[in-house]
Amino acid sequence: DTGVSQDPRHKITKRGQNVTFRCDPISEHNRLYWYRQTLGQGPEFLTYFQNEAQLEKSRLLSDRFSAERPKGSFSTLEIQRTEQGDSAMYLCASSGGLAGGILTDTQYFGPGTRLTVL
Amino acid sequence: AQTVTQSQPEMSVQEAETVTLSCTYDTSESDYYLFWYKQPPSRQMILVIRQEAYKQQNATENRFSVNFQKAAKSFSLKISDSQLGDAAMYFCAYRDSGNTPLVFGKGTRLSVIA
Repeated sequence: DTGVSQDPRHKITKRGQNVTFRCDPISEHNRLYWYRQTLGQGPEFLTYFQNEAQLEKSRLLSDRFSAERPKGSFSTLEIQRTEQGDSAMYLCASSGGLAGGILTDTQYFGPGTRLTVL
Repeated sequence: AQTVTQSQPEMSVQEAETVTLSCTYDTSESDYYLFWYKQPPSRQMILVIRQEAYKQQNATENRFSVNFQKAAKSFSLKISDSQLGDAAMYFCAYRDSGNTPLVFGKGTRLSVIA
């Protein structure tokens, strides 16, 4: 397992279009997080799954955003009717696996999906 | 709500020298975790070091060490023998004890001068 992967790495879309991003966590991790990072800022939490259950959503996650993790493995983040303010890097992280035989809660990040809304 | 403050937007260090990045945080919890993450340009975020609040001993990972002052709510990162590959954005992050999401500071951009 090579770590958390995200697809696509870059997405350019026109305002009003829908976009969907995918995150594949480290295989044994049961927790999956989505963050958004805008230029010059630290990542901000969007939502969090434990297995297939969505446990928490940030107030940043408007009605146009939806996330799923249908089988407790990969997750998708969809943005409907994109706006220019949605332009950002969308980061996925996972945690909850074993490291040296000990359960670790450290979050490991993927490379992110950079969204540009024109 | 917990907050994390990094007061140094940019720092620079000469190669082989030592640099300290500052971080303060605000929380009413007594049990929590603190992290430093490194984000190189156009590359993914990687964990540098973590500290459990219940541990008084400061964490160390090779050239990276922290100065954790719980009463002052301060968590600085010291990088010794700086290398060109250390150039990156460094983010300080906080997490409650219950596997909650990370709260990040705004980051410090570190430049390493050859």
